[in-house]
Amino acid sequence: EVQLVESGGGLIQPGGSLRLSCAASGFNVSSNYMTWVRQAPGKGLEWVSLIYSGGTTYYADSVKGRFTISRDNSKNTLYLQMNSLRAEDTAVYYCARGIVGTSKGGFDYWGQGTLVTVSS
Amino acid sequence: QSALTQPRSVSGSPGQSVTISCTGTSSDVGGYNYLSWYQHHPGKAPKLMIYDVTKRPSGVPDRFSGSKSGNTASLTISGLQAEDEADYYCCSYAGSYTWVFGGGTKLTVL
Repeated sequence: EVQLVESGGGLIQPGGSLRLSCAASGFNVSSNYMTWVRQAPGKGLEWVSLIYSGGTTYYADSVKGRFTISRDNSKNTLYLQMNSLRAEDTAVYYCARGIVGTSKGGFDYWGQGTLVTVSS
Repeated sequence: QSALTQPRSVSGSPGQSVTISCTGTSSDVGGYNYLSWYQHHPGKAPKLMIYDVTKRPSGVPDRFSGSKSGNTASLTISGLQAEDEADYYCCSYAGSYTWVFGGGTKLTVL
């Protein structure tokens, strides 16, 4: 059974850093494209970042230069390193798996999310 | 990248059909067939309902169907059931390896 479990969220001051983790089971993160999506309080979903099986990474303009997506194949875990955090980064962060057999088609399994609150 | 446009809310009675629209531009919805729909019950993991405009993942009831015309995609739910009440989001590939979501639609089953 495919499962994704996020962790690492919490309260952080503006300008601070945080690393989110997404532990996967039931499949290999190295074999699929993986993504991070966030939802600010009362807002819709926003795509944040994506990593392909080959290691190529992509970012939304709103986080480019501040966030880094990566994975540890040995731990079957996806990460999101978030630096220079701003109040507008406050959101629930979800990790999700890319639809098997596609490269841009969307995301078929999601975690339940981890809350990041950026506030002084 | 601007969010795709969805109605904030739609409603229907059990057994009825509802359609949720998702409007973008020729740079996203109209330019690619990488259009997906997600059902999201607050506090839970979003669930993929439709991908590649019309395809249903295994396990998704055939009451859910997708379509696209020009820059507007649609999700139709027929035979509405109480458990369908949720937030629904569309998502499109937007070129240059970026994706864009809609603002979300709250479906109320009356």
